Amino acid sequence: EAQVTQNPRYLITVTGKKLTVTCSQNMNHEYMSWYRQDPGLGLRQIYYSMNVEVTDKGDVPEGYKVSRKEKRNFPLILESPSPNQTSLYFCASSSNRGLSYEQYFGPGTRLTVT
Amino acid sequence: GQQLNQSPQSMFIQEGEDVSMNCTSSSIFNTWLWYKQDPGEGPVLLIALYKAGELTSNGRLTAQFGITRKDSFLNISASIPSDVGIYFCAGLRGQGAQKLVFGQGTRLTINP
Repeated sequence: EAQVTQNPRYLITVTGKKLTVTCSQNMNHEYMSWYRQDPGLGLRQIYYSMNVEVTDKGDVPEGYKVSRKEKRNFPLILESPSPNQTSLYFCASSSNRGLSYEQYFGPGTRLTVT
Repeated sequence: GQQLNQSPQSMFIQEGEDVSMNCTSSSIFNTWLWYKQDPGEGPVLLIALYKAGELTSNGRLTAQFGITRKDSFLNISASIPSDVGIYFCAGLRGQGAQKLVFGQGTRLTINP
């Protein structure tokens, strides 16, 4: 089954404790992206990657890092989480060829930073 | 970063009614996408639009890509309880999947 998976689904942590949220896709997609969803703000892009070793900032990159060492994986790293990073996070992937740029989303990771 | 202006923000309707929502922008988009999000889930793609003026249907859902390329609308006919959720529009400017810009979402509630 074609899918985007994220782990963990739920995470409660404390300020300053480094954490990583993993994202993996099995569709051989070139493009992957991370979003955060906050009430009334819709989804805002954090970082995206056009292919292996190619990453770029989205609209709200501060406080986050990413890496793309393999095509299928795109982890999101919070080096020193703060309470304002409490949010619902989504990973997405899509093909970057032809005309089909529909993005497919993972199930989400709800992060609480105390 | 820019967001799309999506309206209405919420809708409370009776089962069986038709629903209409739209997105507008001051910028031109080359692709419009409509997603639905159920509670506790990620957004699921409903309809993709690639040409100005394009009208596309998916079952009871119909979406149009505005002629000016600055707007899009989504209609749901004869709503049923499983239509409840949050609907998002999203736009892509250039060729490629680089940056998808989302609307704020329309929360749909249906009274049986």
